[in-house]
Amino acid sequence: GNSVTQMEGPVTLSEEAFLTINCTYTATGYPSLFWYVQYPGEGLQLLLKATKADDKGSNKGFEATYRKETTSFHLEKGSVQVSDSAVYFCALRPGAGGTSYGKLTFGQGTILTVHP
Amino acid sequence: NAGVTQTPKFQVLKTGQSMTLQCAQDMNHEYMSWYRQDPGMGLRLIHYSVGAGITDQGEVPNGYNVSRSTTEDFPLRLLSAAPSQTSVYFCASSPGTSTGELFFGEGSRLTVL
Repeated sequence: GNSVTQMEGPVTLSEEAFLTINCTYTATGYPSLFWYVQYPGEGLQLLLKATKADDKGSNKGFEATYRKETTSFHLEKGSVQVSDSAVYFCALRPGAGGTSYGKLTFGQGTILTVHP
Repeated sequence: NAGVTQTPKFQVLKTGQSMTLQCAQDMNHEYMSWYRQDPGMGLRLIHYSVGAGITDQGEVPNGYNVSRSTTEDFPLRLLSAAPSQTSVYFCASSPGTSTGELFFGEGSRLTVL
């Protein structure tokens, strides 16, 4: 079956530090990959996505590249801010289309805390 | 811009009680789903729907029922609550396109004593 594994957290960084959150996946076919962010007390919102191998998703200074050869989709940001403190989820959608559109498989989430 | 609206935001139940978590979306999305979020386990799919009148089970469906009588609404029913159902529940919707993005509600925190 499909699965997503994220690096264990929590992650604590100082402002302006470099961020990497590792994500690897297991899936058949050609899944789409996503990073979602959950700020305190809120629901999840899409941060970025990639739908095919070698695609790079980017948003708000965050980037992730879909690496099929290593089945990875690591999240990076060059300089984090206090406002980036949140929980980050890696997720995949099976590539079969149709009824897979509404079904995502999530990683366990990584808590990021950024100190001034 | 209502998006996905969930009610209630907080609920405390006693073991054996029943309740319904409401979810409504105003984006005319075909796909709707319910997830539960537990510490260290990410989000797990409970039930989902690909359109009005069509529902199916996800990864952890036991103890929950759903129905989809309209495009807008997708309620989640707990028939006999158990402490293991203490969790944060998220409703999500998605258009029937290849982008696959889910739009989430703000969540409902349920405690079963």
